Order: sequence, then C-alpha cells, then structure tokens
Amino acid sequence: AQKVTQAQTEISVVEKEDVTLDCVYETRDTTYYLFWYKQPPSGELVFLIRRNSFDEQNEISGRYSWNFQKSTSSFNFTITASQVVDSAVYFCALSDQSGYALNFGKGTSLLVTP
Amino acid sequence: DARVTQTPRHKVTEMGQEVTMRCQPILGHNTVFWYRQTMMQGLELLAYFRNRAPLDDSGMPKDRFSAEMPDATLATLKIQPSEPRDSAVYFCASGLGLAGGLDEQFFGPGTRLTVL
Repeated sequence: AQKVTQAQTEISVVEKEDVTLDCVYETRDTTYYLFWYKQPPSGELVFLIRRNSFDEQNEISGRYSWNFQKSTSSFNFTITASQVVDSAVYFCALSDQSGYALNFGKGTSLLVTP
Repeated sequence: DARVTQTPRHKVTEMGQEVTMRCQPILGHNTVFWYRQTMMQGLELLAYFRNRAPLDDSGMPKDRFSAEMPDATLATLKIQPSEPRDSAVYFCASGLGLAGGLDEQFFGPGTRLTVL
C-alpha cells in the first residue's frame, strides 16, 4: 500500500522568507512517481512537478526547488523568497509506475503574509 | 488555453435526491479521473477511465455511485440516492495516457456538492 505523509498542517511565513514543505512517502514499488500540486484559494489543483523514482536529481524552477531523497523516502519542496501569491494548500502525491492513480497527502496550508 | 470543465460548479440538494455531475476533459485526452475532497479524508480517487473504459473504480461506493463516459468528450458521476456524507468537492481530471504511463493530470475547477 502507498502512503504519503505531510506532517505540517499549516505554515505561516512573512513575505521573502524561504519555506520548506515536507513530504514523506511509503511504497513497496520499485518504480513510482512523486508529484506536487498547488491548490490556491480558487480551488483548482495546479500541477507543479512530477518526479520518477529513478531520478534523484534535485530540480529548480524559478523560486521553487525540490529535494528528492530515496534514502529517507522524502520529496521536499522549497519556496525561496516567498510571496503572498504563494499562499495555498500544497499537496504531495504518489503513484505507481503507471502514473495513473494518485495517492495524495493531507496537504500543507501555507500562508504568506506581507 | 485548454481546460477541464465541470458542471455544475455548485449543487445543493436534499438527501435522497439524484445528483449528476458532468465533466468535459481536455480535447485529445484519453484518461479521465474522478476525485473527491473532504476535510476529513482529503483527496481521494474514486474512479478513472482510459479510452472511455473504466480501469479502476475501487474507491467508489458501488451502491450509490456510478461513473460513465458516454463519449470521449463527456464523463458523468452520479449519486443516487445522495446522503449528507456525500457533501464534498468533486474534481474531474484528465490526461493523456500513453504506453509508458501518464504524465500529468489536469484538474477541473470542481463541483461543490452539499447534501442537506
């Protein structure tokens, strides 16, 4: 069975601070995918990243970066120089090798204040 | 700008009534998913289709829920009879499934269902 744990329920930071959202996963699959989605107050789920289990290279996209460590079963997400527009709920998700069925964590609510 | 559309966006109904939610996947996508989001359970996968055929509906209560794809441009999720515990936001998502798997799921805006 697959499981995703996002231990941080809510995080509050002041604008321009860096913030890291934690994601720990459990799976027996050798091939799997990890995802991050953003859910802004409008409610839609926005895809941020997909990572294959064989690719442990860290990824950077603008102010966003992801750290994937198989040794600790973690896929953490860092926002550098946070902005008010980053306020949202962020979900980490896990799928098997097909990438079809997503198992979501409970989400971390991030509030960035001016 | 291709998007997944869902109707209605909001639905309030009384217990026992039938509810039908509709989803139009992105043109060309062959895989459609239904998810449910509640405060208690979070985001749960209910069912998904590939090329209009159901692949997995194990997350869906079989006695009252049904999901279909009458054609490639329409997916429906029905609840009959509805119960207060069905109150949730129902998301539809679509993607292009290829031999190597699915790359990304694009989510619709959701249908917020309230059953009184």
